Amino acid sequence: QKEVEQDPGPLSVPEGAIVSLNCTYSNSAFQYFMWYRQYSRKGPELLMYTYSSGNKEDGRFTAQVDKSSKYISLFIRDSQPSDSATYLCAMILYGGATNKLIFGTGTLLAVQP
Amino acid sequence: DAGVIQSPRHEVTEMGQEVTLRCKPISGHNSLFWYRQTMMRGLELLIYFNNNVPIDDSGMPEDRFSAKMPNASFSTLKIQPSEPRDSAVYFCASSPGTKQETQYFGPGTRLLVL
Repeated sequence: QKEVEQDPGPLSVPEGAIVSLNCTYSNSAFQYFMWYRQYSRKGPELLMYTYSSGNKEDGRFTAQVDKSSKYISLFIRDSQPSDSATYLCAMILYGGATNKLIFGTGTLLAVQP
Repeated sequence: DAGVIQSPRHEVTEMGQEVTLRCKPISGHNSLFWYRQTMMRGLELLIYFNNNVPIDDSGMPEDRFSAKMPNASFSTLKIQPSEPRDSAVYFCASSPGTKQETQYFGPGTRLLVL
């Protein structure tokens, strides 16, 4: 079993829809949770990062962390064609000499105009 | 700020040749990361430097891979000898301080080994 699982999609939605992207993880010691957006043939771009359980909002984006269920989500409101990209979750365990940083494999999102 | 700069953007080489990828991190960032991205394995961390010192190289696949950071503004990732299975997109990222949760990625180098 992978430490971080992410549905590869593709996920196709109409413009204006609410999008939900999710990752599950197996190691309860992960501390930081990040979401990156990657456009085709570009480098990943950090969208948000969170530390604790709960919600964090930035414009149309909301990141949610449920540590008890080992489940994180990214919600995109009023989705736009420009949101079409691959979304990568990532998580970090800071353990001194045993830091661990792992990315999910990404979910491909297509927002249809 | 110009962001993280990588060169070359594309590289095509033949099996057995040496490949050198270059990275210039964002000025003032203390941490630098090298990643490899493939369809099969996704984005994998290869090595992480902090203040020019390699901190974690557990992701380097084998001895054919080596990375250096001679100063705060330059790093190289070298593959010698290259093999077709090394074909991938290689990303460099940097972050301020020791924070791994706020990384800024470069545009990547697309490597094809024939």
